[in-house]
Amino acid sequence: DTGVSQDPRHKITKRGQNVTFRCDPISEHNRLYWYRQTLGQGPEFLTYFQNEAQLEKSRLLSDRFSAERPKGSFSTLEIQRTEQGDSAMYLCASSLGAGVPYEQYFGPGTRLTVT
Amino acid sequence: GQQVMQIPQYQHVQEGEDFTTYCNSSTTLSNIQWYKQRPGGHPVFLIQLVKSGEVKKQKRLTFQFGEAKKNSSLHITATQTTDVGTYFCAGASGTYKYIFGTGTRLKVLA
Repeated sequence: DTGVSQDPRHKITKRGQNVTFRCDPISEHNRLYWYRQTLGQGPEFLTYFQNEAQLEKSRLLSDRFSAERPKGSFSTLEIQRTEQGDSAMYLCASSLGAGVPYEQYFGPGTRLTVT
Repeated sequence: GQQVMQIPQYQHVQEGEDFTTYCNSSTTLSNIQWYKQRPGGHPVFLIQLVKSGEVKKQKRLTFQFGEAKKNSSLHITATQTTDVGTYFCAGASGTYKYIFGTGTRLKVLA
């Protein structure tokens, strides 16, 4: 399968713990996005990368969230000191990127439950 | 900040009826994308619109981009049970950061 993959698919953690999620995009895709989605809502933009450069980050994001894409391939999203409000589906998407907009391919998501 | 609203929030139709969802942005968009998300699934790309007044068709689906590039619509003719899901628009304003709309959940009654 050559689609976008995410790991883990489910994560249950206790409040205050740190969690890290991984996203492997489609291999030739330059852009990588992270979104958060809660039940009944649309995906909420968190951040996106063009190769290894993080170009935009949501102002809604607190300093507890950080994302990296060190070699322009896979990406990680870390949430420090998790709170119950962080419970959501975290979606990763990738697309081609060469100065024009391209369709985004979404992964299956990581469902986070903070108890 | 940029906001994207969709109406209606929910729509129930009888199979064979038409369906339309509308997307409105608070800012002028450089392009807009439409996605479909089935229950329990992830968003799947449908179409991208870039030009003012652009109209694109995919079988029973018709997509329009407004002249002012601040609104868009998706129209489905003669809905089928396979059309069930939530339809999202996602707009970008000059960068490649996409703001998703609130979505329209479509239910089709057989």
